[in-house]
Amino acid sequence: GAVVSQHPSWVICKSGTSVKIECRSLDFQATTMFWYRQFPKQSLMLMATSNEGSKATYEQGVEKDKFLINHASLTLSTLTVTSAHPEDSSFYICSAREGGGQPQHFGDGTRLSIL
Amino acid sequence: AQRVTQPEKLLSVFKGAPVELKCNYSYSGSPELFWYVQYSRQRLQLLLRHISRESIKGFTADLNKGETSFHLKKPFAQEEDSAMYYCALNTGNQFYFGTGTSLTVIP
Repeated sequence: GAVVSQHPSWVICKSGTSVKIECRSLDFQATTMFWYRQFPKQSLMLMATSNEGSKATYEQGVEKDKFLINHASLTLSTLTVTSAHPEDSSFYICSAREGGGQPQHFGDGTRLSIL
Repeated sequence: AQRVTQPEKLLSVFKGAPVELKCNYSYSGSPELFWYVQYSRQRLQLLLRHISRESIKGFTADLNKGETSFHLKKPFAQEEDSAMYYCALNTGNQFYFGTGTSLTVIP
């Protein structure tokens, strides 16, 4: 089955640090990747949608300068949380799909803790 | 506007009882609907999609265009079914998730 690998699984860093999270589709080419944020006991909140080779589309209220997304290849997308602060602490999840009619396949998520 | 509605945030049923998790959608085009499940401490995973019309782990879901619903059903709930369930709508350009229903199956 389709596998999405997300790295790192947990990162703790100081306030003001920038953190990069990687999302890779291991056995398929992902034309579209999605980034979500999930707070404890809450649903997924879509942050942005990225298509390979083009700029990401951010959801309303998500700061594009704060959450930089790069989808340079069909198997890799990165989310960089710039100058992270404690309020950015959350669980970030990526997903990928092969084409428009295909289901999304999810990574394990990254727990980001900002001290 | 909320595209996918899951009216029940929490649902508890006894083991062996039937279970139905409700999902309603709002979309004027031809919808493509999915159910995803997230077990404790695991990644979100696809449970089933309406176009395949299959039964996975005893769960089925029928698309009712008249009622714009895609309810998830299982005739006899098992303890291992306890999880978070998300209904999702694919419009081609966008993927919308419901707010999720936490199912607890009581032994």
